[in-house]
Amino acid sequence: AQTVTQSQPEMSVQEAETVTLSCTYDTSESNYYLFWYKQPPSRQMILVIRQEAYKQQNATENRFSVNFQKAAKSFSLKISDSQLGDTAMYFCAYETSGSRLTFGEGTQLTVNP
Amino acid sequence: DTAVSQTPKYLVTQMGNDKSIKCEQNLGHDTMYWYKQDSKKFLKIMFSYNNKELIINETVPNRFSPKSPDKAHLNLHINSLELGDSAVYFCASSRRTSGAYEQYFGPGTRLTVT
Repeated sequence: AQTVTQSQPEMSVQEAETVTLSCTYDTSESNYYLFWYKQPPSRQMILVIRQEAYKQQNATENRFSVNFQKAAKSFSLKISDSQLGDTAMYFCAYETSGSRLTFGEGTQLTVNP
Repeated sequence: DTAVSQTPKYLVTQMGNDKSIKCEQNLGHDTMYWYKQDSKKFLKIMFSYNNKELIINETVPNRFSPKSPDKAHLNLHINSLELGDSAVYFCASSRRTSGAYEQYFGPGTRLTVT
C-alpha cells in the first residue's frame, strides 16, 4: 500500500524567510502524481503545487517550489519569502490510480511576524 | 461563484440518528469524491464516483451510503450515527479520474455526534 510520511508535525518561520517542509512516500509504481495542499484555519483545502513523476524538472508556483527526488521518494516543499497568510496546515499527497489521493499526516506551519 | 458547495457546513446530532450531507459542483466535472478528516486532521478518501458510477469504495462501514443522482451532485447519507463518526467531511470534484486533473474541494461539513 502506498504511504505518505511527513515527519515534521509543526514548524515555524519568521516572515520573509524561507522554510522547507519534508515529505517521503512509498510506492512501487513508476508513474504517479504528487501534491502539496494547504489548509488554512478556514479549513478550505487549497492546491499549492503539483508534480508529475515522469517530469524531472521540479515544479514551481511563484514563491512555492518543490525538490522532487524520485529515487529517494522524497518530495519537499520550499516556501520563499514567507508571508503571514502562509500560516496553515500543509499536506503532502500522492495520487494512485483512479485519482485516489493518499495524504500525509500534515505539517502545521506558523509564520511569525 | 462557489465551485464545490456542501450543505450543511455544521451538523450536530445525537447518536443513532440518520443524517445526510449534500454536495454540488458547478464545474462540469465528471468525478466526485468524499473524504473524511478526523480529529487529528488526517484525511482519507471514502468514496469516488465517475459519471454517477461508484469507482472507489474504501473500507467504510456500510452505514455510510453515497448517492449520485447526477454528475453534479454527490450526497452522503449516514445511518445510525456513532460518536466515532464525528469529523469533517469534504466533498471534492475533478474533471477526470487522473492526477493530471486538480481536485477541487468543498468547504467541508463538520459533523459532531453527541
